[in-house]
Amino acid sequence: GAGVSQSPSNKVTEKGKDVELRCDPISGHTALYWYRQSLGQGLEFLIYFQGNSAPDKSGLPSDRFSAERTGGSVSTLTIQRTQQEDSAVYLCASSLLGNTIYFGEGSWLTVV
Amino acid sequence: SQQGEEDPQALSIQEGENATMNCSYKTSINNLQWYRQNSGRGLVHLILIRSNEREKHSGRLRVTLDTSKKSSSLLITASRAADTASYFCATDYPDSWGKLQFGAGTQVVVTP
Repeated sequence: GAGVSQSPSNKVTEKGKDVELRCDPISGHTALYWYRQSLGQGLEFLIYFQGNSAPDKSGLPSDRFSAERTGGSVSTLTIQRTQQEDSAVYLCASSLLGNTIYFGEGSWLTVV
Repeated sequence: SQQGEEDPQALSIQEGENATMNCSYKTSINNLQWYRQNSGRGLVHLILIRSNEREKHSGRLRVTLDTSKKSSSLLITASRAADTASYFCATDYPDSWGKLQFGAGTQVVVTP
């Protein structure tokens, strides 16, 4: 597609369950990012993939969070044993190195 | 702490008026990007300005960068109701490409 695609758009899950959020970056973009935005807050960096380099995981808030990027394209963000404070919009973005970073529409996660 | 901080936090204007918002940051940057967000969902990229640039234009948007003051401004001319959104600046800095630092945003309301 023309832009960054994320799924699901909305996810409601019970506390303690695992969730997976998917991101399809813009074709050809070598860099992929995950950010989180809690209600009324700014964006918080989570993780960054660049090419075949080891990802920068410094923003992941706990070991319940993990992300993979398969084949240098699609990425999955996994949250294990979800907690209510995980409720947020999870935004994926992609770019060519050193250039404009384009964001998807986000996945709204609600943990009940 | 957040690298970019927007000012004002909120702005209410009438259609046809200009809207100006500012962004300040703390340390030397590589690039500064402005984004728009409607209804808490995806971010729409507006303009990227590099540290060696001073001004950029895109349609009704004008961005300036003053690295000596560590600040940037976004001007929206002849505003429209459709410009109602939150506007964020995001900075990246040497050795931390991909880890954008976002401010809390300026919420702009344009009334007909």
